[in-house]
Amino acid sequence: AQSVTQLDSQVPVFEEAPVELRCNYSSSVSVYLFWYVQYPNQGLQLLLKYLSGSTLVESINGFEAEFNKSQTSFHLRKPSVHISDTAEYFCAVSALSGGYQKVTFGTGTKLQVIP
Amino acid sequence: IAGITQAPTSQILAAGRRMTLRCTQDMRHNAMYWYRQDLGLGLRLIHYSNTAGTTGKGEVPDGYSVSRANTDDFPLTLASAVPSQTSVYFCASSEGHQRGNEQFFGPGTRLTVL
Repeated sequence: AQSVTQLDSQVPVFEEAPVELRCNYSSSVSVYLFWYVQYPNQGLQLLLKYLSGSTLVESINGFEAEFNKSQTSFHLRKPSVHISDTAEYFCAVSALSGGYQKVTFGTGTKLQVIP
Repeated sequence: IAGITQAPTSQILAAGRRMTLRCTQDMRHNAMYWYRQDLGLGLRLIHYSNTAGTTGKGEVPDGYSVSRANTDDFPLTLASAVPSQTSVYFCASSEGHQRGNEQFFGPGTRLTVL
């Protein structure tokens, strides 16, 4: 069984300030980790993913996440947010289960960037 | 533009009615998925298909059925809609069904069952 916990349902932050969105997971098997972003009235889009190798992964728009196996965390960070980063962010874990890719999503964190 | 299309965009449905949500992808992906998104619950998998001709049940399959007659289409049917099926439904696809495959999502269908 696998689960994902995103403790913060909403995170307000001023423009150009840093932000961290927290994600913790549990799994009885090794997993791959993802962050997806959902802009208003749209589907989810992949932001970044960790499969193996370097524990720090980056996206093209300045976000980064670090896989911490001992703390079972995959927190998302950005040093300086922009208004356009306002969206809902979902952490997810992927494992093979019963013959299909089982992706378990967290409940999401709404990031609101304040001008 | 390559991607996933869903129809309708939104629908209001009387309880007891039958409804099919359509999903089409043009990326030739093997795997397809249906999720429902509810406030505070995130996304939950309803049904999946690893390849054309095969389907499987996800976390919340009751009251829903799917078919995968070809690679591109993956319709979701509610045989007799109930108010608890009010939700936003997302279709997704991935190149394969192995773990680690990125999923691509459609724009969603907002369904209200009265």
